[in-house]
Amino acid sequence: EAGVAQSPRYKIIEKRQSVAFWCNPISGHATLYWYQQILGQGPKLLIQFQNNGVVDDSQLPKDRFSAERLKGVDSTLKIQPAKLEDSAVYLCASSPWGRSYEQYFGPGTRLTVT
Amino acid sequence: QQQVKQSPQSLIVQKGGISIINCAYENTAFDYFPWYQQFPGKGPALLIAIRPDVSEKKEGRFTISFNKSAKQFSLHIMDSQPGDSATYFCAASIPQTGANNLFFGTGTRLTVIP
Repeated sequence: EAGVAQSPRYKIIEKRQSVAFWCNPISGHATLYWYQQILGQGPKLLIQFQNNGVVDDSQLPKDRFSAERLKGVDSTLKIQPAKLEDSAVYLCASSPWGRSYEQYFGPGTRLTVT
Repeated sequence: QQQVKQSPQSLIVQKGGISIINCAYENTAFDYFPWYQQFPGKGPALLIAIRPDVSEKKEGRFTISFNKSAKQFSLHIMDSQPGDSATYFCAASIPQTGANNLFFGTGTRLTVIP
């Protein structure tokens, strides 16, 4: 079974630029999550999708972050404009229907904002 | 506000020794307590998990001890090996309609010396 795929793996941008991350969850997983992991900290949930609907986006800085999950499969997370404090690893995870406590993570995208 | 507090921040253990990582929580609504293992450049991987109706769970060399009254749980790694060197995160899940959000601890960097 293929795991959660993410791209790109690394991205360096200047502040005020925009960036987008892509995630392909495990096949058949209904729930998809985006986390932000700042160096030395645990992952922090940004947004959670159930199929293509948003379940929780209370921690998403909506003035600059946006996310979508078209057709209930792949998802993209966008930052526009980026700030220095957005430098972090952005992790995508997915879980089977009814087992949201069992999350499988992708390798992450390491974003550096200069 | 940190929902799950984890200690120590780093741990060095000799090969064959026991590694112990502790976590504490306040929210009694948490109903699932997983541990994740993260190697550099990889996403967190689910290692072992426990529910609050059980005081201990063992899988191979990994054991979770759970103390509901003290609101504490810990991970014990028996016969620690250099390959166990990684960052370990405890987490707690709170049930919500259609979702179980995970709240992560700050992580413990374990180094096992050969």
